[in-house]
Amino acid sequence: GDSVTQMEGPVTLSEEAFLTINCTYTATGYPSLFWYVQYPGEGLQLLLKATKADDKGSNKGFEATYRKETTSFHLEKGSVQVSDSAVYFCALRRGTSYDKVIFGPGTSLSVIP
Amino acid sequence: GAGVSQSPSNKVTEKGKDVELRCDPISGHTALYWYRQSLGQGLEFLIYFQGNSAPDKSGLPSDRFSAERTGGSVSTLTIQRTQQEDSAVYLCASSLFQDTQYFGPGTRLTVL
Repeated sequence: GDSVTQMEGPVTLSEEAFLTINCTYTATGYPSLFWYVQYPGEGLQLLLKATKADDKGSNKGFEATYRKETTSFHLEKGSVQVSDSAVYFCALRRGTSYDKVIFGPGTSLSVIP
Repeated sequence: GAGVSQSPSNKVTEKGKDVELRCDPISGHTALYWYRQSLGQGLEFLIYFQGNSAPDKSGLPSDRFSAERTGGSVSTLTIQRTQQEDSAVYLCASSLFQDTQYFGPGTRLTVL
């Protein structure tokens, strides 16, 4: 079945460091791909998305490119801040009209000053 | 409202009691989803509604779990005879047709 794999962490970085969180997926067809973020004590928020191959999603300095050839959707940010400390979830949704989101296990990120 | 709302935000109950969790989706969103977030299990899909019908109930863990949606809006997730393993954060999301799912803040359920 469809699935998402991502590095589980925890990941600890110093402020202004470069961030990469790897995400790969297994799915039939052409899923939409998402990164969701969960800040401490808060609910899930959509961070960015891409709906077709080679699309790049971006938001708040984060980027991820939909790579169908490698079935990947790695999250990157050039310079992290303390406020980026959160859990990041890679996810997919199959390209049908209504469908559940399948989440990866989440990656905990801590950014230290 | 502007976003998905859920109530209560926290619920503590005793093993064997029934609980009801409520979700108010974003106005106009036709699809509504329930997920569960627990330690060791990550985020699990439970059920989704298209309008008032539930085409996919595949994620409900047992027959103690049920959900309904009325008027194409509010949804209630009911857990009967709660067990300690039901302790989790229950998340609701809503979306338009083929669009992004937006999540509520969740209900944290603790079964003692």
